[in-house]
Amino acid sequence: DTAVSQTPKYLVTQMGNDKSIKCEQNLGHDTMYWYKQDSKKFLKIMFSYNNKELIINETVPNRFSPKSPDKAHLNLHINSLELGDSAVYFCASSQGYAGNEQYFGPGTRLTVT
Amino acid sequence: EDKVVQSPLSLVVHEGDTVTLNCSYEVTNFRSLLWYKQEKKAPTFLFMLTSSGIEKKSGRLSSILDKKELFSILNITATQTGDSAVYLCAVCGATNKLIFGTGTLLAVQP
Repeated sequence: DTAVSQTPKYLVTQMGNDKSIKCEQNLGHDTMYWYKQDSKKFLKIMFSYNNKELIINETVPNRFSPKSPDKAHLNLHINSLELGDSAVYFCASSQGYAGNEQYFGPGTRLTVT
Repeated sequence: EDKVVQSPLSLVVHEGDTVTLNCSYEVTNFRSLLWYKQEKKAPTFLFMLTSSGIEKKSGRLSSILDKKELFSILNITATQTGDSAVYLCAVCGATNKLIFGTGTLLAVQP
């Protein structure tokens, strides 16, 4: 009974391709997030949705487009992949968004060659 | 700009030792401070602190927050090899975003 799940776990692709990562949570939370963890293990917020509405949109290239079809799902589509996009992408969820504890998915390791 | 600084960056101890990990922060309109443990995969939630001076405890782990001096500590007593991980501190302020520190890498040797 996985709380926050992501697919795929690993993604290897070539520069210029378009790819998507999917996230689902079964915790009944109303807020979901995408984080990027780079090679130095620094974890940084990218996007957040509350009740399907975008509430945090960090300065990321507009090649990254999140989409939340419902409260339990948050997907991330990346166009025209670049070498610098290689990282681990984590999805997370929380109930409310004002500093409440967030629960993370297992991560998707994206490698762009 | 909101900032979180963790120290030390890395630490090597032997089983049975007690360790103290530090987290100092600067944030506008503090809401909460959270500690996570990250082994090979996802960060797992340990504690959320919102009030000064109230210790949170879970088994051998405990944490406390000082909102006047803007720091928190995470203590681990009687360390075990399974405690080896990166420990992440994060704060949330007026932006409603979790700002993470770079983490402390703890290695517990048998």
